[in-house]
Amino acid sequence: AQTVTQSQPEMSVQEAETVTLSCTYDTSENNYYLFWYKQPPSRQMILVIRQEAYKQQNATENRFSVNFQKAAKSFSLKISDSQLGDTAMYFCAFMKHVAPGGSQGNLIFGKGTKLSVKP
Amino acid sequence: AAGVIQSPRHLIKEKRETATLKCYPIPRHDTVYWYQQGPGQDPQFLISFYEKMQSDKGSIPDRFSAQQFSDYHSELNMSSLELGDSALYFCASSLFRFRTEQYFGPGTRLTVT
Repeated sequence: AQTVTQSQPEMSVQEAETVTLSCTYDTSENNYYLFWYKQPPSRQMILVIRQEAYKQQNATENRFSVNFQKAAKSFSLKISDSQLGDTAMYFCAFMKHVAPGGSQGNLIFGKGTKLSVKP
Repeated sequence: AAGVIQSPRHLIKEKRETATLKCYPIPRHDTVYWYQQGPGQDPQFLISFYEKMQSDKGSIPDRFSAQQFSDYHSELNMSSLELGDSALYFCASSLFRFRTEQYFGPGTRLTVT
């Protein structure tokens, strides 16, 4: 079974600074996908960034980037130039490879990290 | 752009009652997923459907059932409600061939008293 661990229940950062959220996972699969989802106080789940395990290049989306270390099974999220609107719960999630006979696409989430951006 | 629609947004039920949650996927999306997020918890996968057939099943209680209809909307039926069923229920949709691109609805907050 796959597990996702987020060891930082809460973090805070000053506006305009950089913060890194940690995520480790356990799987025996070789092909899979990793995600970071953001859940602001509105409780809407918003996809922040996605990484395919077969890609060595780390994914980036504007101020958001990941550090994917496949051998270490680590998938951290870096938020640069933090903004007040980044205040949210951040969930790391895992999905097995969606091949025929494989995963049908269900996400396995970590427990989340509550990020507060302070002015 | 059209998003996933869930109704109702809020629902209050008493123990042992039944509840029906509805999900309308993004137009042309053929796959629907249901997740349950308890208070202070991470979302847990319940069940998914593709082309009106159940495609995967997670930690869904036997008291719950779900289906997907010909217009691809889905309904989650919950019977004999318990206090522990109080949670935020998310529906997400995707195209089957792009299952890594799931779009979440705003959720239905179910409170069981």
